[in-house]
Amino acid sequence: QKEVEQNSGPLSVPEGAIASLNCTYSDRGSQSFFWYRQYSGKSPELIMFIYSNGDKEDGRFTAQLNKASQYVSLLIRDSQPSDSATYLCAVNLAGYSSASKIIFGSGTRLSIRP
Amino acid sequence: GAGVSQSPSNKVTEKGKDVELRCDPISGHTALYWYRQSLGQGLEFLIYFQGNSAPDKSGLPSDRFSAERTGGSVSTLTIQRTQQEDSAVYLCASSLQGTGLGFFGQGTRLTVV
Repeated sequence: QKEVEQNSGPLSVPEGAIASLNCTYSDRGSQSFFWYRQYSGKSPELIMFIYSNGDKEDGRFTAQLNKASQYVSLLIRDSQPSDSATYLCAVNLAGYSSASKIIFGSGTRLSIRP
Repeated sequence: GAGVSQSPSNKVTEKGKDVELRCDPISGHTALYWYRQSLGQGLEFLIYFQGNSAPDKSGLPSDRFSAERTGGSVSTLTIQRTQQEDSAVYLCASSLQGTGLGFFGQGTRLTVV
């Protein structure tokens, strides 16, 4: 089992709709969870992080964490064509400080259709 | 500098040659990570440095790979006797201690021919 799993997509969402991206992780003790956006040919860019169960909102983005289910998601409201990118879920591994070994999923490719 | 700087941005090398990739982290960031990304794939963890602690080398794929970080700042990733499967984009990220919030450099695209 991979440590961090994501559906590779592509996920196609109409402009203005809500895009929902999901991620599961295997290490029950993980404490820190990150979402990165990566445009084609570019480096990943951190867009959200979450440490506690529940929801965290930042503008059009909401991160949701359920540690019991080992599940983290990213919702993008009012999707725009500029949101078209690959979204990478990242998780720190248990037993490490939050600043250490961060493992990435393979990413979900999101396409927003006008 | 303002961000994480990596050099070279592109490197083409012949199979069997050694290469060195450089990462200059954001000033004050004590944590430094190296990842590898093959075409269309996710990020593969290679190595992690935190301050003066021993690095976590658990992701290095073989003993041909090594990395060092001098003076808690600049890091060099060395690949000896390169193979074609080493071709990938090598990404470096740095973060403040205790945050895990990594800022990435632009990467080095390595092509082994």
